[in-house]
Amino acid sequence: QVLLQESGPGLVKPSETLSLTCTVSGGSINNYFWSWIRQPPGKGLEWIGHIHYTGTTNYRPSLESRVAISLDKSKNQFSLRLNSVTGADTAVYYCARYCSGGSCYRLDPWGQGTLVTVSS
Amino acid sequence: DIQMTQSPSSLSASVGDRVTITCQASQDISNYLNWYQQKPGKAPKLLIYDASNLETGVPSRISGGGSGTDFTFSISNLQPEDTGTYYCQQYDTLPLTFGGGTKVEMK
Repeated sequence: QVLLQESGPGLVKPSETLSLTCTVSGGSINNYFWSWIRQPPGKGLEWIGHIHYTGTTNYRPSLESRVAISLDKSKNQFSLRLNSVTGADTAVYYCARYCSGGSCYRLDPWGQGTLVTVSS
Repeated sequence: DIQMTQSPSSLSASVGDRVTITCQASQDISNYLNWYQQKPGKAPKLLIYDASNLETGVPSRISGGGSGTDFTFSISNLQPEDTGTYYCQQYDTLPLTFGGGTKVEMK
């Protein structure tokens, strides 16, 4: 079955750039959207954005000026970059597959999540 | 953005009880709604898609309904493994948005 695994630094300094990678195994990157979602400690879920296998991206408007999602098909990976981070960006970051089209519109499966703390 | 309002924010019930969670969208989203369960320290897991369709492997005591702006999620015969936080999520319009969550605990 398709598995997703996030990787990247767990600690980022304020004003710097948060960078995470999601590795997809057990299936192809093709024919889906690939999403990033975050969850601040003790709070709810917030969709950050996604990238289509063709390279088209969509972002949450409130983050659009600071975020970039990219794709590396050769490695079956997609990545998140969020710049100028503050403490408000401290969260567990999840990657997930989003199928969009036909009769399928759902975030499934998800990675296990990785905690990123913004602190000096 | 479409706002998703869930209620209650938490509930406590006994084994065998029926519990119901509601989710209200700030505008008509047809049946473009999913429900997820999240256990502590784990990623959310899809339970229901398209408002009322059970994901494969999800027990039939779980159900969902509604359309337009008002949706429900129910668990009949509540079991200890049903504890966790439940989220609704709309996919009518980007950005995808989630409800604030409902924490279900056992009495």
